[in-house]
Amino acid sequence: KAGVTQTPRYLIKTRGQQVTLSCSPISGHRSVSWYQQTPGQGLQFLFEYFSETQRNKGNFPGRFSGRQFSNSRSEMNVSTLELGDSALYLCASRLQGRTEAFFGQGTRLTVV
Amino acid sequence: AQSVTQLDSQVPVFEEAPVELRCNYSSSVSVYLFWYVQYPNQGLQLLLKYLSGSTLVKGINGFEAEFNKSQTSFHLRKPSVHISDTAEYFCAVTTNSGGSNYKLTFGKGTLLTVNP
Repeated sequence: KAGVTQTPRYLIKTRGQQVTLSCSPISGHRSVSWYQQTPGQGLQFLFEYFSETQRNKGNFPGRFSGRQFSNSRSEMNVSTLELGDSALYLCASRLQGRTEAFFGQGTRLTVV
Repeated sequence: AQSVTQLDSQVPVFEEAPVELRCNYSSSVSVYLFWYVQYPNQGLQLLLKYLSGSTLVKGINGFEAEFNKSQTSFHLRKPSVHISDTAEYFCAVTTNSGGSNYKLTFGKGTLLTVNP
């Protein structure tokens, strides 16, 4: 069974631009969550989607948004990029009703 | 709200030595606990989990962890480490049994370096 797939693996963007990251969950997993990993703040929860609905949201500005499609694939969008948005963005999927989440390889975003 | 403290940011050990990576959590309700490993430029891989039942849980790659409710700890151990165990290890907690409002709260991580 294929794992969680994130694309692209690496991105370089300029301040002020916007970016969209993609995540395909493990087959059968309908819950997808996103995390930001930085050296200073560590791993922080962004949001979780289930059946195309956002069910939980972390403490991030409105520039960070996401969505989920009917096939459970999810996208995360960051608008008006700032230097501080440079991070590894990790996507995780899980089965509804289960507590363990499985992570993808991440997308390394660099804002210059 | 839950929180996780990993007491050591770096742990250097020699190959074939035992290792313990410490994790303490804080929560006013029941918790589910996890250890993840991250190799350079990779995502997180689930090593093991504590959901309920036996307090000693075994995971992949020879790792095990013990849940201690009275000490609110979930320390990770391996009796003999290999060079390939060099990686960053994260302890994580959730108080959610898998429904809505689920999220993982992570510790800051412990960098395990295994030297020959």
